[in-house]
Amino acid sequence: SQTIHQWPATLVQPVGSPLSLECTVEGTSNPNLYWYRQAAGRGLQLLFYSVGIGQISSEVPQNLSASRPQDRQFILSSKKLLLSDSGFYLCAWSVYPNEQFFGPGTRLTVL
Amino acid sequence: TQLLEQSPQFLSIQEGENLTVYCNSSSVFSSLQWYRQEPGEGPVLLVTVVTGGEVKKLKRLTFQFGDARKDSSLHITAAQPGDTGLYLCAGRGYSSASKIIFGSGTRLSIRP
Repeated sequence: SQTIHQWPATLVQPVGSPLSLECTVEGTSNPNLYWYRQAAGRGLQLLFYSVGIGQISSEVPQNLSASRPQDRQFILSSKKLLLSDSGFYLCAWSVYPNEQFFGPGTRLTVL
Repeated sequence: TQLLEQSPQFLSIQEGENLTVYCNSSSVFSSLQWYRQEPGEGPVLLVTVVTGGEVKKLKRLTFQFGDARKDSSLHITAAQPGDTGLYLCAGRGYSSASKIIFGSGTRLSIRP
């Protein structure tokens, strides 16, 4: 069966510090991968998606970036965090276009 | 730009009551999904509907896709405290490049 992992689960970082969030998927090959950000109790904002290694599409201009160094690994990064980067970050995968499966999320607080 | 609007935003009802949550758009979708999310966790897929007018049942939950494929509803019968959570609808357009877009969610609280 397929599983998706995200780490860390919780992160507290000062403004201006770098960021690296990692997501890995097991049990499937060549998945589409997604990074979302969720404000408290609200819907999901798509940040990046990837259809293959090294292929990244950005949805929202921001100081975040994403990379996909391996087929089942997706990384979200920032060189300098802003207060507005705080939120709940979710990684998701899909094979069929209609359905996505989400990881457990990372709660990021920027102070 | 495709948008999905969910209503109500918040709903608090007594255990045993029935409720309906709505997901509406002016756009047509090729498919629509419903997710439930608990605090501090990722959303979990409940159902996908793909045919206009389609009705799917998942125990006490009934999902319907509108005939025009622009809207959907989720009806819960005899709500239980375990139904508490954030319910999200998500839709995908028709083009091959369409991404799934999410509604803003309905936060449901069931009081014992």
